[in-house]
Amino acid sequence: DIQMTQSPSSLSASVGDRVTITCQASQDISNYLNWYQQKPGKAPKLLIYDASNLETGVPSRFSGSGSGTDFTFTISSLQPEDIATYFCQQYDNLPPTFGPGTKVDI
Amino acid sequence: EVQLVESGGGLVQPGGSLRLSCAASGFTFSTYAIHWVRQAPGKGLEYVSAISGNGGSTYYANSVKGRFTISRDNSKNTVYLQMGSLRAEDMAVYYCARDRSGGSGIRYCFDYWGQGILVTVSS
Repeated sequence: DIQMTQSPSSLSASVGDRVTITCQASQDISNYLNWYQQKPGKAPKLLIYDASNLETGVPSRFSGSGSGTDFTFTISSLQPEDIATYFCQQYDNLPPTFGPGTKVDI
Repeated sequence: EVQLVESGGGLVQPGGSLRLSCAASGFTFSTYAIHWVRQAPGKGLEYVSAISGNGGSTYYANSVKGRFTISRDNSKNTVYLQMGSLRAEDMAVYYCARDRSGGSGIRYCFDYWGQGILVTVSS
C-alpha cells in the first residue's frame, strides 16, 4: 500500500493567516491526490481533487498543488469556519489511502 | 440535492454479523460507484470497499476481504455492506460516499458522503 504522510500533524494560526499543509506519498502518484476537510462529528468534505482542482462550491481561498510524491494544500486567509482536520488521499494505486490528517486550530 | 443516508449500525459481538445500508437520493444512482470508508474512534480514515454503478465491479481492502460483501439494488437506490466475522478492529464509524466520476468506472474520489453510522464490536 502507498503510505501517505502529512505535516504538520497540527497547527494553530490566526484569522487571516496563510496556512500550508504538506502531504508526501511513499511513491509517485502523479496527480491522483485529493484533499478533504472534516469538522468534528461530521463527514469529510471534498475540497480539492486531482491535486489542484477546486471542487464546485468550495471557496477560492483553498488551493492545492504538486505532483509525483510531494503535494501542498493552502488556505490563503484562514477563516473561523476552517477549523477542522484536513486529510490527503491518493488513488493512484489501490487501496486508496489517506494521510493521518492535520488538525487546524485558531 | 445529493443525499446519502447510512443505517443498520449498532452493537455486535465479536464474530457476529451486521448489514449496513446506504440509501441515496438526488442523483442518477445507477451511474455512480459507491464506496464505504470507515473511521475508528479518534483515528484517521480507512478505505473499505467499492461497487461500480451497475454492480459489476467490486473492490475490497485486504483488511475486510473474505469477511465483507458489498452489493447494490439500483431499483431501491441502495448499497449494502454485509459484514461478517466482525472483530474489535472493525469498530468504527462507517461512511458511504459517492464516486465523483459518474459512468461505468470507479475513480476513488469521493464527492458526497453520508453522515456515518457507528458499528461497535464488543462482548
